[in-house]
Amino acid sequence: EADIYQTPRYLVIGTGKKITLECSQTMGHDKMYWYQQDPGMELHLIHYSYGVNSTEKGDLSSESTVSRIRTEHFPLTLESARPSHTSQYLCASSVGTVPYEQYFGPGTRLTVT
Amino acid sequence: AQRVTQPEKLLSVFKGAPVELKCNYSYSGSPELFWYVQYSRQRLQLLLRHISRESIKGFTADLNKGETSFHLKKPFAQEEDSAMYYCAPQGNYGGSQGNLIFGKGTKLSVKP
Repeated sequence: EADIYQTPRYLVIGTGKKITLECSQTMGHDKMYWYQQDPGMELHLIHYSYGVNSTEKGDLSSESTVSRIRTEHFPLTLESARPSHTSQYLCASSVGTVPYEQYFGPGTRLTVT
Repeated sequence: AQRVTQPEKLLSVFKGAPVELKCNYSYSGSPELFWYVQYSRQRLQLLLRHISRESIKGFTADLNKGETSFHLKKPFAQEEDSAMYYCAPQGNYGGSQGNLIFGKGTKLSVKP
């Protein structure tokens, strides 16, 4: 089934740990995005990708990194988690020619203790 | 920086009442404008785009270039309209070009 998946849905982890948030889509979309959203606040774009081997930083500076080795996969990595990284992370994808119609994943709620 | 303002964090109306969710954007030009919605326990999804001038689920969005506003309206609210609504203009310069810029969202609660 064509969809966009995020794992894990919830993650509680200690300070200093390395984490990778997974995002995969089976819709064949070339453009993918990562947003960060604190409760009651805006979604902030932190990374996006136009396609394989393309990654760009978004509007909000983030200590995380991303990679796009395969079209369907866009993981986000934090080398050393800190409490300030506690947030919800949303992954989305879109057809490159229709970038405004983004399909969102269910999100990962990250808590760093 | 390109900014989007949704002044109401929460909007509560009774079923059948008109509803208007406000959105103002801070930059000039003619950005494409969109509203996204998130129903309870569902994902964020596109509700409507201004350029198509469509009405989705009874909602329409009025663009006022002079006021740089893009308010979402519905003449008669239904309980199933209760959701979180995000205004999302498309950035039109610099690093934001082509990307959506989301507001903080307005939670609409429609009471029976």
